Amino acid sequence: QQQVKQSPQSLIVQKGGISIINCAYENTAFDYFPWYQQFPGKGPALLIAIRPDVSEKKEGRFTISFNKSAKQFSLHIMDSQPGDSATYFCAASKGYSGNTPLVFGKGTRLSVIA
Amino acid sequence: DTGVSQNPRHKITKRGQNVTFRCDPISEHNRLYWYRQTLGQGPEFLTYFQNEAQLEKSRLLSDRFSAERPKGSFSTLEIQRTEQGDSAMYLCASSQDGGNQPQHFGDGTRLSIL
Repeated sequence: QQQVKQSPQSLIVQKGGISIINCAYENTAFDYFPWYQQFPGKGPALLIAIRPDVSEKKEGRFTISFNKSAKQFSLHIMDSQPGDSATYFCAASKGYSGNTPLVFGKGTRLSVIA
Repeated sequence: DTGVSQNPRHKITKRGQNVTFRCDPISEHNRLYWYRQTLGQGPEFLTYFQNEAQLEKSRLLSDRFSAERPKGSFSTLEIQRTEQGDSAMYLCASSQDGGNQPQHFGDGTRLSIL
């Protein structure tokens, strides 16, 4: 049973466009939702995270939208750049502080083309 | 920048052999996590520690796997009698106790079973 479902599996976006990746979760005990970026041969790196008490969080070109009733959250990358080409993972955990085990989605491979 | 350090980066071994990986967390991080990532998938939680205490083990962690963190600093993950299905990237992460403390990942150890 996959607790965090992520879509799409792959995404191609033009430079300057908006990349949108969606995730849905099942466990209502989850209360911390981070997004990680991973380049080939590297470990995941935290991009941005949100907690259920807010519906949106923005950091630079990255925005998380959160819909608690629908149990869905999404990552928006504005003005996408070729350097954003990587695999993106959504995740969830029960620990509000972020320091309990994470459940990851299967990932989205983003390609930003010029 | 002293991030999470994992050694070795690559390990190739024959089926049936034992292997051990090491993780050095960010200094002063008292939580340490092990995840496994197979090709095209998100990381899956294996186990985690708070200082030297092992707090939780996933059902993925069969009795061939053992993890230790004897002095609350570095950790080792040992796999005994390796099998083909153990081929994966083994990722280590660390975090600090308290609010808003995300997990920081190392670049992993890639294990290949011949």
